[in-house]
Amino acid sequence: EAGVAQSPRYKIIEKRQSVAFWCNPISGHATLYWYQQILGQGPKLLIQFQNNGVVDDSQLPKDRFSAERLKGVDSTLKIQPAKLEDSAVYLCASSLGGPYNEQFFGPGTRLTVL
Amino acid sequence: RKEVEQDPGPFNVPEGATVAFNCTYSNSASQSFFWYRQDCRKEPKLLMSVYSSGNEDGRFTAQLNRASQYISLLIRDSKLSDSATYLCVVRVGAGNNRKLIWGLGTSLAVNP
Repeated sequence: EAGVAQSPRYKIIEKRQSVAFWCNPISGHATLYWYQQILGQGPKLLIQFQNNGVVDDSQLPKDRFSAERLKGVDSTLKIQPAKLEDSAVYLCASSLGGPYNEQFFGPGTRLTVL
Repeated sequence: RKEVEQDPGPFNVPEGATVAFNCTYSNSASQSFFWYRQDCRKEPKLLMSVYSSGNEDGRFTAQLNRASQYISLLIRDSKLSDSATYLCVVRVGAGNNRKLIWGLGTSLAVNP
């Protein structure tokens, strides 16, 4: 079974530029998550989708971050404009649902903002 | 107080040692508990769920103490390959409002 796919794997940009990340979850997984993980810290949830609806985006900096999952499958996360403190690994995860729904993570996109 | 707190480590132990990690959570209504493992520069992967009665998987034992609001992970006979960061995860909420709260992780280095 194919896992969660993410691209690009690495991205280096200058501050104030824009960047977009793409995620393709495991087939059939209704729930999709975007996390930000700063070096030395645990993952921080940015946004959670249930199919194409947003369940939780309370920690998404909405002045610069946006995400969409238009057809309930693939998702994109955008940062515009980027700041130095956005340097992190952006992880996408998906899960089937249910009370003990294991999250499966993609390899992540490592973003460096110069 | 943070919602989920873990010993930051790092824990440096020799091969064969037994090591225990603790995690405390602040929300008494938390419903589900997990340990994830994250290798250096890799994504987190589920190690084990934590059940009320405690559960064991080979060398790994997870326990939950609801009264004291803490979870533990015990690794016996540690191997070099156990070197990783161990993340404590707690689920709160219900229905579509369920969300996972992640600890910062505890780093383990098993030395030869």
